[in-house]
Amino acid sequence: DAKTTQPTSMDCAEGRAANLPCNHSTISGNEYVYWYRQIHSQGPQYIIHGLKNNETNEMASLIITEDRKSSTLILPHATLRDTAVYYCIVRAYTGANSKLTFGKGITLSVRP
Amino acid sequence: DGGITQSPKYLFRKEGQNVTLSCEQNLNHDAMYWYRQDPGQGLRLIYYSQIVNDFQKGDIAEGYSVSREKKESFPLTVTSAQKNPTAFYLCASRHEGRQNTEAFFGQGTRLTVV
Repeated sequence: DAKTTQPTSMDCAEGRAANLPCNHSTISGNEYVYWYRQIHSQGPQYIIHGLKNNETNEMASLIITEDRKSSTLILPHATLRDTAVYYCIVRAYTGANSKLTFGKGITLSVRP
Repeated sequence: DGGITQSPKYLFRKEGQNVTLSCEQNLNHDAMYWYRQDPGQGLRLIYYSQIVNDFQKGDIAEGYSVSREKKESFPLTVTSAQKNPTAFYLCASRHEGRQNTEAFFGQGTRLTVV
């Protein structure tokens, strides 16, 4: 699975959009981009995933660049409850290697 | 309700004792995973299993053991060989063999060794 790099932390004001970047320059054609978030002392929660098209659900939007080497998770109207660690990972559909590897993620702090 | 359950939520053990953490899922998922998380750190993969009676080492398997005798259960034993066992342990599962499925996580077990 391709490696991802994320900034260590960022903050945004409550009610504003939070744009969380992720680089995955070694992504291969069959690898999806997934985002999870972890609120303090809880298990991570799935947010969204995509292959090459932009995706949107009730939680967030995922924008993937045309070359697929980077992506941005957008929380359109951040609330204090969105303060969490956000993980960007990439993985292939299947195969012999079914590892699911997380990095350190990016800590988002939403300020009042 | 369908989900993945870890128990107990908090666990205290004396140094040198083996301890087993429970992870059960009723989602009919094929793949299950164990992670360790230390303060301020990301998730590190300990062991994973894609199918019953088979499992593979992750990135930090030393001092840990697992079994997968049933599809719904993937217990993790922290042995006395683990030098620094105090940590937050997370279990996850996902449906293998289907395209782009997400992982579901339990709420974790916080192990403290004194």
